[in-house]
Amino acid sequence: GAVVSQHPSWVICKSGTSVKIECRSLDFQATTMFWYRQFPKQSLMLMATSNEGSKATYEQGVEKDKFLINHASLTLSTLTVTSAHPEDSSFYICSGVRTEYDSTDTQYFGPGTRLTVL
Amino acid sequence: QKEVEQDPGPLSVPEGAIVSLNCTYSNSAFQYFMWYRQYSRKGPELLMYTYSSGNKEDGRFTAQVDKSSKYISLFIRDSQPSDSATYLCAGKNTGGFKTIFGAGTRLFVKA
Repeated sequence: GAVVSQHPSWVICKSGTSVKIECRSLDFQATTMFWYRQFPKQSLMLMATSNEGSKATYEQGVEKDKFLINHASLTLSTLTVTSAHPEDSSFYICSGVRTEYDSTDTQYFGPGTRLTVL
Repeated sequence: QKEVEQDPGPLSVPEGAIVSLNCTYSNSAFQYFMWYRQYSRKGPELLMYTYSSGNKEDGRFTAQVDKSSKYISLFIRDSQPSDSATYLCAGKNTGGFKTIFGAGTRLFVKA
C-alpha cells in the first residue's frame, strides 16, 4: 500500500509555455500533499504544502503565481509551472501523507517528473 | 547551519561489506527519524523510520538514533550492488508534517 503516482514522468516544453504535473495517491487518501524540486546531486527542496480543499502554503522564496498548486480531492494534487523558463528545468517530486491511518505521518513519494524547458 | 547534516559522499564499498551511513541534526524537537533510499531518476522510497532514540532492525538494515548526541545512523549488512543509491536521512516533529531532509549520501556497492 501507500503508492503515489505522477504524470507525466518526463516532459519537454518550450520557454513561455505552461506545464501541468499530476500527483495521485492510488491506494490511500492524502489529506496533505507536498511538492518538492530536486536539482542533480542535491537534496529535496520543499516548494509547498497542499491540503485538500484549501490554498497551498508556499515555502519562502517560491513564487506562488509561477507554481500553481491545486489539491482538489483527497487523491489528486496538481502543480502547474506557468510561463516556464530554462531555469525551471528540474526534477519535481510529490508526496502524500496518509494521516488518517499512519500515526507516524510518514511521507510516501511519487516517482518524480523530469521537466526540461528549452 | 542546516537542520540535518549529511555527508554527500560518494561512498564506495565492495559487495558484502557493512555500510555505515550517518547524519547529525540540530532541532531538539525532532521525534521521528526516517531513512529514504533514492535510485537515480526516481522518487525517494521509505526504508526505515524510528521514533525517538533507539534501534530498529529490518532485514539487512538497522536504523539507530541517539538523541543525546543528535546522531542518526543507518547500517547495511551484507551490502549488495542493488543497494547502490542515494540515502537520505530525515527528521520531523511529532504531529507536524514538515520533514527536513539531509543532502543525501551516494553509495556505490561494487560487485
